Amino acid sequence: QQPVQSPQAVILREGEDAVINCSSSKALYSVHWYRQKHGEAPVFLMILLKGGEQKGHEKISASFNEKKQQSSLYLTASQLSYSGTYFCGTARSNDYKLSFGAGTTVTVRA
Amino acid sequence: DAGITQSPRYKITETGRQVTLMCHQTWSHSYMFWYRQDLGHGLRLIYYSAAADITDKGEVPDGYVVSRSKTENFPLTLESATRSQTSVYFCASIPGRTGFDTEAFFGQGTRLTVV
Repeated sequence: QQPVQSPQAVILREGEDAVINCSSSKALYSVHWYRQKHGEAPVFLMILLKGGEQKGHEKISASFNEKKQQSSLYLTASQLSYSGTYFCGTARSNDYKLSFGAGTTVTVRA
Repeated sequence: DAGITQSPRYKITETGRQVTLMCHQTWSHSYMFWYRQDLGHGLRLIYYSAAADITDKGEVPDGYVVSRSKTENFPLTLESATRSQTSVYFCASIPGRTGFDTEAFFGQGTRLTVV
């Protein structure tokens, strides 16, 4: 079952902030965040683990609410290079499946 | 070269034909995945594998077959291609040594067109 992402799309001006949300109906072991540019493969940003550990990008932050099975990705002081489609991927501890959401398209304008 | 590679990068095939997309990784990662990407649907999991000879269905497995006789290879076969299978296909792998607490590595994708 795919996690649910919101919003579907967001348009920002350089310097503005945005939040992308990801939720699951199942108990999660880890939440992964990736960014994809047009015509390219997804690129890893960050992993959040059950228990609070985070691994990944220093300039992008995220949170993981284990009680609600929700994660949020925070784009702060956005730059033109932040444009792309952001995907969250979720994994549970009792299987080895990594499922992705439908994505959030971020457009940053000068 | 080390990494995860997909072949071919582009493929045009006719309806009803069988076509196989290849995925090869050089790291001996345990877990491998096949996704299809369509506008509005994001990355949808087709099949996944925990090790050689261990595979399982994902969210959209109908019309696809996989095998994994060797750890490094995970081919995806469309048994009888249909136009609805026109998509971009991504293969990915995860080391699996400590569970899903490391990043997934993606291949460069295969753009398949069924005419």
